[in-house]
Amino acid sequence: DTGVSQDPRHKITKRGQNVTFRCDPISEHNRLYWYRQTLGQGPEFLTYFQNEAQLEKSRLLSDRFSAERPKGSFSTLEIQRTEQGDSAMYLCASSLGQALTDTQYFGPGTRLTVL
Amino acid sequence: AQTVTQSQPEMSVQEAETVTLSCTYDTSESDYYLFWYKQPPSRQMILVIRQEAYKQQNATENRFSVNFQKAAKSFSLKISDSQLGDAAMYFCAYRYNQGGKLIFGQGTELSVKP
Repeated sequence: DTGVSQDPRHKITKRGQNVTFRCDPISEHNRLYWYRQTLGQGPEFLTYFQNEAQLEKSRLLSDRFSAERPKGSFSTLEIQRTEQGDSAMYLCASSLGQALTDTQYFGPGTRLTVL
Repeated sequence: AQTVTQSQPEMSVQEAETVTLSCTYDTSESDYYLFWYKQPPSRQMILVIRQEAYKQQNATENRFSVNFQKAAKSFSLKISDSQLGDAAMYFCAYRYNQGGKLIFGQGTELSVKP
């Protein structure tokens, strides 16, 4: 049973650089979510996809953030011109999106540190 | 806007004892879903238990059970016979429609003393 995977697990970058994270959902899961979690806080929703369509974006997702899910499989989250405030754990989750009690399964996260 | 509040930043329990974690939420919706997730240190988040708002019966999963009070908008988690492996951050979460985003509380860090 392959769970949700994320790459890289850790990323250290300098302020102003661009970074890209990848998420591979559980196969056959048609919904994919991105969350951001800062230290000591609960995850905050960023965006989610139904197959390749991006259905909802949070106001937290500024113009510097862009997410894609080409072909409805893996997803990428890009942050342009990173700022120190972008330092956080970026979590990906996927779900079948079919049952009433649709369960989201989370990946291990990508920890971003912006120097 | 929907909000989820966990008023206990930290809790501690003796091994084999019972502990209850609190969660309250605010919503104007009548049909929604509630979840408790566990996040062990440096490990990924996993679902502990879920509750459908239209069900009056409280959900139970082995040693984990909830006390769902819809009118009071309260959703507490009871862990019985606590084990060392239960030590983790616990998040209460709300979802207002099928497949939608989760709204999380701030979390409660549970420690288990041997």
